[in-house]
Amino acid sequence: QLQLQESGPGLVKPSETLSLTCTVSGVSVSSSNYFWAWIRQPPGKGLEWIGSVYYTGNTYYNPSLKNRVSISVDMSKNQFSLKLSSLTAADTAFYYCARETGDLDYWGLGTLVTVSS
Amino acid sequence: DIQMTQSPSAMSASVGDRVTITCRASQGISNYLAWFQQKPGKVPKRLIYAASSLQSGVPSRFSGSGSGTEFTLTISGLQPEDFATYFCLQHNSYPLTFGGGTKVEIK
Repeated sequence: QLQLQESGPGLVKPSETLSLTCTVSGVSVSSSNYFWAWIRQPPGKGLEWIGSVYYTGNTYYNPSLKNRVSISVDMSKNQFSLKLSSLTAADTAFYYCARETGDLDYWGLGTLVTVSS
Repeated sequence: DIQMTQSPSAMSASVGDRVTITCRASQGISNYLAWFQQKPGKVPKRLIYAASSLQSGVPSRFSGSGSGTEFTLTISGLQPEDFATYFCLQHNSYPLTFGGGTKVEIK
């Protein structure tokens, strides 16, 4: 059964870099059939796609975040990761990882990240 | 970027009502559209993919239609468990973009 699980700090300070990892089980991140995506949702607000990675390391990022975001894949651990730098309070959100088969068919449960000093 | 305009942003409806939610794309996206349901504190759940294909396990009262720039999610016979927020997602091109959401509340 496919499962995705986000992990990382729940609280980070302004100006710091957020690092989140998504551990995938039930399917290999090295499959050529899928991309792997990060999405976020500020509390009470809408959804924003952050970016996607292919097993080759090829990436696509949201232009609104492009200068601050990096997504990578680790096939040995069956994981993919998100780094978001220069954090501000506006980056406070639920962060989700998901499998991308065109659209986003399987999602992790999400993790709340709060940016505060 | 492709903008997805979703309407209405909120609505009140009664159990048994027929509910229609619309997403309009700023440019043609063929049928590269999905619909999601999200309940408070929960993960978005895919209802419809490829604009009109019903996700396995989703009740048949949910249906999707449209192609190009205009898409509709219809709930035929609203049930108590359907009160939630609904989002559309276009995946025709990067960046993937979501509609702003429609909150369906109890009248």
